[in-house]
Amino acid sequence: GNSVTQMEGPVTLSEEAFLTINCTYTATGYPSLFWYVQYPGEGLQLLLKATKADDKGSNKGFEATYRKETTSFHLEKGSVQVSDSAVYFCALSDLNTGGFKTIFGAGTRLFVKA
Amino acid sequence: DAGVIQSPRHEVTEMGQEVTLRCKPISGHDYLFWYRQTMMRGLELLIYFNNNVPIDDSGMPEDRFSAKMPNASFSTLKIQPSEPRDSAVYFCASSFHRVGNYGYTFGSGTRLTVV
Repeated sequence: GNSVTQMEGPVTLSEEAFLTINCTYTATGYPSLFWYVQYPGEGLQLLLKATKADDKGSNKGFEATYRKETTSFHLEKGSVQVSDSAVYFCALSDLNTGGFKTIFGAGTRLFVKA
Repeated sequence: DAGVIQSPRHEVTEMGQEVTLRCKPISGHDYLFWYRQTMMRGLELLIYFNNNVPIDDSGMPEDRFSAKMPNASFSTLKIQPSEPRDSAVYFCASSFHRVGNYGYTFGSGTRLTVV
């Protein structure tokens, strides 16, 4: 079945450091891939998405490229801020095999120190 | 748009009591999802609806859980009787099925504590 695996946290960085959060997936079809962010006490918010191989999703300085050959969708940001501290979820949705359900990874907590 | 609205934000109840969680999706969205989030199990999909019809309830943990969507603007998740292991944050999310756009909009969640 479809699944998502992301790196365990927490990840602790200093402000302005480079961020990478790894995400790999397993899918029998051609899923759409997403990153969501959850701030304390809030629901998840869609951060970015990519719907086909080699697509790059980007938003608020974050980027992720859909790599079909490595089944990966790693999240990157060139210079993190304290306000980026949150939990980040990688997710996939495959209409052909999973219906209209989204499968979420376990989440990676990011702490950014001033 | 006010987004997905859930109520209450917090609920504390005693074991054995009935609990009802409420959700108002974004107007025009045709899919509605109920998720449960715990530290141990992460995000779990409980049930989802399409055009008010339940499509997949395989994630509903037990018969104590039930969900309804009587119209396009309202859904409930009910637990009867509640147990301490039901303590979690329950999220509602909605989406509009459009080719190339499958992202969800989540509500702020209901934090349920069963004592």
